[in-house]
Amino acid sequence: DAGITQSPRHKVTETGTPVTLRCHQTENHRYMYWYRQDPGHGLRLIHYSYGVKDTDKGEVSDGYSVSRSKTEDFLLTLESATSSQTSVYFCATTQGDQPQHFGDGTRLSIL
Amino acid sequence: KNEVEQSPQNLTAQEGEFITINCSYSVGISALHWLQQHPGGGIVSLFMLSSGKKKHGRLIATINIQEKHSSLHITASHPRDSAVYICAVHYNTDKLIFGTGTRLQVFP
Repeated sequence: DAGITQSPRHKVTETGTPVTLRCHQTENHRYMYWYRQDPGHGLRLIHYSYGVKDTDKGEVSDGYSVSRSKTEDFLLTLESATSSQTSVYFCATTQGDQPQHFGDGTRLSIL
Repeated sequence: KNEVEQSPQNLTAQEGEFITINCSYSVGISALHWLQQHPGGGIVSLFMLSSGKKKHGRLIATINIQEKHSSLHITASHPRDSAVYICAVHYNTDKLIFGTGTRLQVFP
């Protein structure tokens, strides 16, 4: 399995504060993804990366930004968190035409 | 509009029963995935298939490209199979589209 570490695993913060979630992988996979998971919805893609400094938007990208300065790290930033961004966030990686490997998730609550 | 539909949404079974979860999609795909998510846990890929059938232990995944339909079968179900099973498809991109999942509970 790809070694994927998400940090933090849990976070509670207040509306309007900036939040950064980190995804770290040790498998040298090219592709990395950030998803959010909410009741009644399938996993929804926020942003993804197809290489260092190469990123693109997913279906729910508003209010989020990402950066990938190294192969192993993919950061998701909420510049000014809102209550609608309370969710469970998953990072995933893949090398290409292979199944995605998922991190254990980050539970984010915005009060 | 979700382009991947799963049924049923919830499923309960007695230990030992044969279980089928269905997934349908709307247009041609390059691959279909079945994933498993345990309560409070992470997500694990079970199968990736583009045609035919795959088997791993008590789990079997099939896909019918013409019908745009896939099934996940669990034989001799066990309480440890209790989880959410998620279908996801590649529409010829690097991105996956996910179904909303089927919550399975298997009782002893």
